[in-house]
Formats: sequence, structure tokens, C-alpha cells
Amino acid sequence: EPEVTQTPSHQVTQMGQEVILRCVPISNHLYFYWYRQILGQKVEFLVSFYNNEISEKSEIFDDQFSVERPDGSNFTLKIRSTKLEDSAMYFCASSESAVRGNTIYFGEGSWLTVV
Amino acid sequence: GNSVTQMEGPVTLSEEAFLTINCTYTATGYPSLFWYVQYPGEGLQLLLKATKADDKGSNKGFEATYRKETTSFHLEKGSVQVSDSAVYFCALSGDGGSQGNLIFGKGTKLSVKP
Repeated sequence: EPEVTQTPSHQVTQMGQEVILRCVPISNHLYFYWYRQILGQKVEFLVSFYNNEISEKSEIFDDQFSVERPDGSNFTLKIRSTKLEDSAMYFCASSESAVRGNTIYFGEGSWLTVV
Repeated sequence: GNSVTQMEGPVTLSEEAFLTINCTYTATGYPSLFWYVQYPGEGLQLLLKATKADDKGSNKGFEATYRKETTSFHLEKGSVQVSDSAVYFCALSGDGGSQGNLIFGKGTKLSVKP
């Protein structure tokens, strides 16, 4: 079964450093997302991306975050200057469409630890 | 705004026991409702979903019915197995353009003992 793949699975970075998390969505999907889960808290929506632009973003997705689809297969999340509170599991996801009730497929997550 | 509340865990059951994980929601209009499961070391996987009132989603022996009158989407399974041990997340997507913006509950960790 096709799946969303994410790299790295775990990254430790120093506060203030830039981090890029990478994702390969399912190949025929057109909608891409990033979510995060801080330890012990809810999974939270960050951003959705369609047709090479952001279609929706949450309050969490401030100027230090950016997303990009640099080629036909990758989808990246960049955190410009990491803070301690950015430590979380980051999930990439994709879907074929945005119709009501459509299924969103998640990757296994990238665990980011900021020290 | 929209929100999801699910029962706190962890839940520990013996094999073949009956499982209920409660989930209630607050939303305007008619959201779509989902249960996702996360097995140890894996990502979130869709378990089942329902898109309108009285719909029943089912998969792998799990069921949940969309109850508009009680704003609930409780997950049930008649006889759990050790392999069902995982974290279960209730989620909704709003009745509008934000279909990719899933609102999740906190998750309920289920442990099934042989």
C-alpha cells in the first residue's frame, strides 16, 4: 500500500539552528499537510498546501515556519530558528482530494528535539 | 471553535473484553468524524470514518456511529486482541472548506493483556 515517508525519523538540534524536515507524499496526491504533536498534547494542524501554495495555516505556523515542494516528489517543512518549544513529533500527510470526509494519510513522523 | 474531547487513558483490558472509547465533539454544521490509530513505532492510520448523522463507520471489528443528537462518535469493539494495543485518536474536519484541517482529541492509549 502506498505510504507517506518522512525523514529524518529523529533529529536533535541546537536552539537557534535551522531544521528541514522532509516528506515524500503518496504519488498521486495533490494536497499536503504538516501537523505536530508536542509530547502529551494533541495532534495540531500546522499548514495545508495545494497547487504550490499554502491554502490554510494555523496560528502556530508563524514566520519561522515555511513549506516548499522543491520538486515533483518532496514536500518540506523548514523551521528557521528553532526554539525549545518546537520540540515535537512532526507529521507529514497527504490526500488525493479535499472533498468532504476525504481520507488523509499520515507518515510515521519526525521527532524533533531542540536542546 | 471546533473541538474534540475523548476519554483519558490509559485503558487496560484483557483479551476478548469489550472496548468503548468515548468521543464527543463541538462543531458548527455537519462535520466529518474519524478515528485514527497509532500502533507503536508507526504513524497515524485511518481506522474508520463517518460523514453524516447516523452513519456507522466500521473496520477490523471496530465500529463507531455518528450521533448528531449527542454529538458523539464512540469507538467500540466487541472482543479486543493483544494486537489492538495502540493509541486511538478521535478527530473531525469541519463542515466547510477546511477539510484538511483535522481537529484531534488527545488520544487514548489502549493496552490489551493476554
